Amino acid sequence: QQPVQSPQAVILREGEDAVINCSSSKALYSVHWYRQKHGEAPVFLMILLKGGEQKGHEKISASFNEKKQQSSLYLTASQLSYSGTYFCGTEYLGRGSTLGRLYFGRGTQLTVWP
Amino acid sequence: DVKVTQSSRYLVKRTGEKVFLECVQDMDHENMFWYRQDPGLGLRLIYFSYDVKMKEKGDIPEGYSVSREKKERFSLILESASTNQTSMYLCASSLSGHGFDQPQHFGDGTRLSIL
Repeated sequence: QQPVQSPQAVILREGEDAVINCSSSKALYSVHWYRQKHGEAPVFLMILLKGGEQKGHEKISASFNEKKQQSSLYLTASQLSYSGTYFCGTEYLGRGSTLGRLYFGRGTQLTVWP
Repeated sequence: DVKVTQSSRYLVKRTGEKVFLECVQDMDHENMFWYRQDPGLGLRLIYFSYDVKMKEKGDIPEGYSVSREKKERFSLILESASTNQTSMYLCASSLSGHGFDQPQHFGDGTRLSIL
């Protein structure tokens, strides 16, 4: 039930845009996005619920495509501070699922150069 | 702000030792989690607890146990440490209730080395 993240790594120049995808083979209830800088704890970015909504956080936004069971994280005009590893965490409903329990992807390492 | 505190940032133990990792949160969260983080594998859930004295196995519970005697504290126990348990261990907590809009808050992690 671990979601699949792509790409595994991204290298950008400051000001460039990036998209990170998170796909599930199982029907999603919610998708959580986190960023972890080297040697630090993962930090919560945003949650998306099923329904195709889009959310924003400064120049970082995300969408949730319920039909495709996929979420995408959009980083616009990237800054040096965006560097880190981005994880999606997926939550499921239904038999055998537990609300509040997340399945995390393997992460996408984002590096922004000046 | 939510504060999740893990007892040690770095820990070195010997093979066969019984190891205790402690985690305390200060926001009265019902849910608490223990993850293991290894390069390229992401965050893998070991155990979680949704109430005092309640626990559920995650994806990789073998070789581990947990204890939750008080709401704010969740302990991870390595019954007999082995070298393949060398890893970064992360604790997290979240509010319960509806569940679908509650983020997890993470501690700084414990880097455990088993020699």
